[in-house]
Amino acid sequence: QSALTQPPSASGSPGQSITITCTGTSRDVGAYRYVSWYQQHPGKAPKLIISEVSKRPSGVPDRFFGSKSGSTASLTVSGLQAEDEADYYCCSYAGDNNLGVFGSGTKVTVL
Amino acid sequence: EVQLVESGGGLVQPGGSLRLSCAASGFTLRNYWMGWVRQAPGKGLEWVADIMKDGGTKKYMDSVRGRFTISRDNSKNSVYLQMNSLREEDTAIYYCVRDTDYYIVDQWGQGTLVTVSS
Repeated sequence: QSALTQPPSASGSPGQSITITCTGTSRDVGAYRYVSWYQQHPGKAPKLIISEVSKRPSGVPDRFFGSKSGSTASLTVSGLQAEDEADYYCCSYAGDNNLGVFGSGTKVTVL
Repeated sequence: EVQLVESGGGLVQPGGSLRLSCAASGFTLRNYWMGWVRQAPGKGLEWVADIMKDGGTKKYMDSVRGRFTISRDNSKNSVYLQMNSLREEDTAIYYCVRDTDYYIVDQWGQGTLVTVSS
């Protein structure tokens, strides 16, 4: 199972919005609504910020928005803040016979 | 408070073995799939293995199948990863994770570092 494709980096100024894409195939992202997004600060464990394409767990700011179209999922971060500077990973279910598949990761820089 | 605490990492020579343990607290372990996710230095995340609530079904990534074994003891609130025939490419931080079905991870341990080197 190949990693989902994410851009290596993204950046924006405080207050701006950025969108990170996560491209898979018809066997994973395109087939299911079980796409999740994780935020990882340096030296820390990842943290769930979006589940099932667009659901925000309790405590996650509504500045984080998830969506999906076809085989591409997207994470939009609006009103960028300094604390949003981190690595972001998507993950998708890929069927009962497979483990989940993560994206390649995107490093977000707040300028 | 939900907690996952890994232990058992360390330095091992190629071909050696290690057993990782994950102590779970703050929730009923038998209600969840559990798994291990790893991250090589400076690299991305990879699902290593996943185990069904009662331990009946186990899944592995291709490169560890036959070398790694995931198990659990719900009575001891613990999950394990037995790693044999370790290779340098297995060097990574290994995270114990709670899988809320469909590989959506809502809880992560702090990770334990496994270094395979001669």
